[in-house]
Amino acid sequence: QVQLVESGGGVVQPGGSLRLSCAASGFTFSNFAIHWVRQAPGKGLEWVAAISSDGTNKYYADSVRGRFTVSRDDSSNSLFLQMNSLRAEDTAMYYCARDWGALFDYWGQGTLVTVSS
Amino acid sequence: QSALTQPPSASGSPGQSVTISCTGTSSDVGGSNYVSWYQQHPGKAPKLMIYEVSKRPSGVPDRFSGSKSGNTASLTVSGLQAADEADYYCSSHAGTKRVFGTGTKVTVL
Repeated sequence: QVQLVESGGGVVQPGGSLRLSCAASGFTFSNFAIHWVRQAPGKGLEWVAAISSDGTNKYYADSVRGRFTVSRDDSSNSLFLQMNSLRAEDTAMYYCARDWGALFDYWGQGTLVTVSS
Repeated sequence: QSALTQPPSASGSPGQSVTISCTGTSSDVGGSNYVSWYQQHPGKAPKLMIYEVSKRPSGVPDRFSGSKSGNTASLTVSGLQAADEADYYCSSHAGTKRVFGTGTKVTVL
């Protein structure tokens, strides 16, 4: 069955960096675009970034462009989100989600990022 | 890209219907047939309920239906059940990006 498992979250100081991972299984990873979506505590969903199935196209929300970088390693069925210059407002649960024809059909359970001094 | 606008809350008694609106612009909802809806229970990941405005994935009850008119999409939950109590989010293409709605908490009275 399709599974997405995020990891790498934790507590980091403002201005710091963190690298999130998303391990995929149960499907041909290289055939799918994958997204990162976040949810601040008690708030709604916010689309963060996406990477195309072949890794050549990357898209970012204005709020993270220039600070976050999405990448993938198809040999290990993994998605990554490198987060630099972190701010308090980046505190959120970060989900990876599979793109299937303009919708998110499978989601991971999320990894929590807390930016605090 | 601004979030799509949803009412903060909606409610209904068991067996009744509730409709949630999702208002965007011609650059997202109005210009796209790729509007989807997600259900999220507390502490859980979102779950796809409706895609391409009105299509239901396998396993989603036909009590859930979607529609769109102009820049506003809608999700209707008929025959409300206790398990339907959750947060609901719409989502749309917005060029190369995606945008979510502000979310609606559905309460079953």
